[in-house]
Amino acid sequence: DVKVTQSSRYLVKRTGEKVFLECVQDMDHENMFWYRQDPGLGLRLIYFSYDVKMKEKGDIPEGYSVSREKKERFSLILESASTNQTSMYLCAIEGTVNSPLHFGNGTRLTVT
Amino acid sequence: RKEVEQDPGPFNVPEGATVAFNCTYSNSASQSFFWYRQDCRKEPKLLMSVYSSGNEDGRFTAQLNRASQYISLLIRDSKLSDSATYLCVVNMQGNTPLVFGKGTRLSVIA
Repeated sequence: DVKVTQSSRYLVKRTGEKVFLECVQDMDHENMFWYRQDPGLGLRLIYFSYDVKMKEKGDIPEGYSVSREKKERFSLILESASTNQTSMYLCAIEGTVNSPLHFGNGTRLTVT
Repeated sequence: RKEVEQDPGPFNVPEGATVAFNCTYSNSASQSFFWYRQDCRKEPKLLMSVYSSGNEDGRFTAQLNRASQYISLLIRDSKLSDSATYLCVVNMQGNTPLVFGKGTRLSVIA
């Protein structure tokens, strides 16, 4: 069974803090993704990576960066957290043709 | 035109009812299609893939209409446990990230 683990289920940070969201997978997949989800806006792609040390901007990369130093780990970084980054953050990996994305159970981040 | 569009709902239906959702997509070259289910405050999970020939899994039937560029999800004999948000997901082109609709919320009422 595919396992995608996000390091924190709930996180509260202050404005201006540097925030790291970690995602670890156990399936040796190349493709990893970070989304945020907000009411009324659906899932929006922040960044993705097709291999170690590779990264691609998604639809809303502003205010975020990522790191992929090892294949199994994909980190999302908020360099200076702001209140408009309060959201649910979801990491996903690409599975098989018939099961294209497996999600972690999400990190609910609150920036105060 | 938005790439993947869904009626946000909510659809409020009684137990036992049949309910159908549609999802339209903008790119005629789109290659693969999926329905995901998301429970409140949980991550999305794959419900079913949508094949050209249609796909049925118990009470759930998914269909693709390439000519009109939409996919559909039909739920028969609705259960309370079917209450969730249903996300339409499309692979627009080759090895590019999947595109998600904003979801349709279903509430099944006793």
